[in-house]
Amino acid sequence: GESVGLHLPTLSVQEGDNSIINCAYSNSASDYFIWYKQESGKGPQFIIDIRSNMDKRQGQRVTVLLNKTVKHLSLQIAATQPGDSAVYFCAENPPRGGYNTDKLIFGTGTRLQVFP
Amino acid sequence: SAVISQKPSRDICQRGTSLTIQCQVDSQVTMMFWYRQQPGQSLTLIATANQGSEATYESGFVIDKFPISRPNLTFSTLTVSNMSPEDSSIYLCSVETYTGTEAFFGQGTRLTVV
Repeated sequence: GESVGLHLPTLSVQEGDNSIINCAYSNSASDYFIWYKQESGKGPQFIIDIRSNMDKRQGQRVTVLLNKTVKHLSLQIAATQPGDSAVYFCAENPPRGGYNTDKLIFGTGTRLQVFP
Repeated sequence: SAVISQKPSRDICQRGTSLTIQCQVDSQVTMMFWYRQQPGQSLTLIATANQGSEATYESGFVIDKFPISRPNLTFSTLTVSNMSPEDSSIYLCSVETYTGTEAFFGQGTRLTVV
């Protein structure tokens, strides 16, 4: 399949280890954030989201942390598996003209490589 | 969730021609968006497809180059007009459903202009 993210930063981890992917967002007024996983040749797949009134949210094997002070978002993947290999994007939902919109602004992305 | 089908999945086109990409959703959705993902890059929003009215374009994108239609709540098209090699990208349809705020994506259309 096609390869996306050929020039993206890469995180290499061993199978079974925990992974932490970081993202800096741009708009301090953004109130909603999403992490997406994109496998080669596919569209982005929703992983987990978090609203700005929360600092942490947990899903199945994944945790998202939000630090609004420094506009930083992280995705933690526990017990990383080969199937987790993909490009990961964070996205923020900023307001425009004082109103919240449904538009997303995507971060640059990180390629996660899992080795056996 | 929503199941999104995009057609074609890929195409190779001659410069100067136009290609229309279709996005079909299996249920009615509130919002439909079109994104571009250039090689090795992140996703950039092209426009919001509005049902029954003209699309809302983001800075740097214009209707003459990327005409969009949305005749109903489950279908939209994006046309890439007068193509040049710089238009070679993955084009993605995204939708937002009535039940949530997270956006779902189609599998994308890989366009190569030669």
